[in-house]
Amino acid sequence: QQQVKQSPQSLIVQKGGISIINCAYENTAFDYFPWYQQFPGKGPALLIAIRPDVSEKKEGRFTISFNKSAKQFSLHIMDSQPGDSATYFCAASMTGNQFYFGTGTSLTVIP
Amino acid sequence: KAGVTQTPRYLIKTRGQQVTLSCSPISGHRSVSWYQQTPGQGLQFLFEYFSETQRNKGNFPGRFSGRQFSNSRSEMNVSTLELGDSALYLCASSQGETFGNTIYFGEGSWLTVV
Repeated sequence: QQQVKQSPQSLIVQKGGISIINCAYENTAFDYFPWYQQFPGKGPALLIAIRPDVSEKKEGRFTISFNKSAKQFSLHIMDSQPGDSATYFCAASMTGNQFYFGTGTSLTVIP
Repeated sequence: KAGVTQTPRYLIKTRGQQVTLSCSPISGHRSVSWYQQTPGQGLQFLFEYFSETQRNKGNFPGRFSGRQFSNSRSEMNVSTLELGDSALYLCASSQGETFGNTIYFGEGSWLTVV
């Protein structure tokens, strides 16, 4: 059973556009929601993270929007660049440092 | 500060053999967790160690085991390898004193079972 559902599976965006990736979860015990970026041949790297007491967090061009009542959170990449082309994973964790990951979104930013 | 270091980066094993993967966490991090990444199943949690004790375990068979040493370095072992064990094995470290810490991944060990 997939604890965290991520969509879309792949996304193509023009340079300068906005990339939006969505995730949904069921377990209300989750209390930490990070996003990771992974380039081919590399391990996932932390991009940005949020806790459920905050509805939005912004770091540079990356924003997490969090809707606790809907049990959904999303990643917005503003002014998308070709260098942003990578696979993005949402994740959720609760006590125990066990993270549940979404299935990933392959983002391609076209110049 | 050096990141999470995993060795070896690539290895090929034969079905039925066993393999040991090593992980050195970020300096000062006491929690090490392991994940398996495959195209079909994505990233799946194997287990987490903190202060040499397994604190949490995912839903993998007993062929998958691990340990942590007093210097926080960790190893994971897979015995009686199966073709389906071919995957990228990722180690992640965190400070670990409280739950819900950010975890930082290494670049992984690519295991191919033939």
